[in-house]
Amino acid sequence: AQKITQTQPGMFVQEKEAVTLDCTYDTSDPSYGLFWYKQPSSGEMIFLIYQGSYDQQNATEGRYSLNFQKARKSANLVISASQLGDSAMYFCVLAGAGSYQLTFGKGTKLSVIP
Amino acid sequence: NAGVTQTPKFQVLKTGQSMTLQCAQDMNHNSMYWYRQDPGMGLRLIYYSASEGTTDKGEVPNGYNVSRLNKREFSLRLESAAPSQTSVYFCASSGRLAGVLNEQFFGPGTRLTVL
Repeated sequence: AQKITQTQPGMFVQEKEAVTLDCTYDTSDPSYGLFWYKQPSSGEMIFLIYQGSYDQQNATEGRYSLNFQKARKSANLVISASQLGDSAMYFCVLAGAGSYQLTFGKGTKLSVIP
Repeated sequence: NAGVTQTPKFQVLKTGQSMTLQCAQDMNHNSMYWYRQDPGMGLRLIYYSASEGTTDKGEVPNGYNVSRLNKREFSLRLESAAPSQTSVYFCASSGRLAGVLNEQFFGPGTRLTVL
């Protein structure tokens, strides 16, 4: 069985500061992928970043980076230089190589303070 | 490129009524999905279609049926709506990369209320 744990239901960060959103996972698949999605208050799901289990380097996409620690089964999202538009729910998601099913965490609500 | 489109955006039903949620994608993806999102929860998979002509149950399939009409379209049907099906429904599509799911592209969602 696959499991995603996001232990921070809500977080606050000052504008222009960096913030780390925690994610731990559990899977028995030797090959898997980890995603982060952003859901603003308008409701759409926006893909942010992807990390494959065999990728040697941590993924980066603009201001987003994924701190992937395979041995600890963690895949934390780091947002640098937070902006007001970053205020949203953030979901960590696990995909196993042998499955079409994604496992979603319960999400972290990030609020950016001016 | 519209990506993933869903209709309707909002719907109110009475208990026992039926309806079909429509979804279409123009990215030539093989796989399509239906999720529901309840307050305080992540998305939960209802049904998916790995490729045209196939459908499979996800985590919460009870009370729903699906049809993969062609490669572009994947519909979700509620035969007899219940208040427990009040939720936001998302359709998504994806390719497959090196044996692992590629990113899923989501539609804008349908907010369904069952009275």
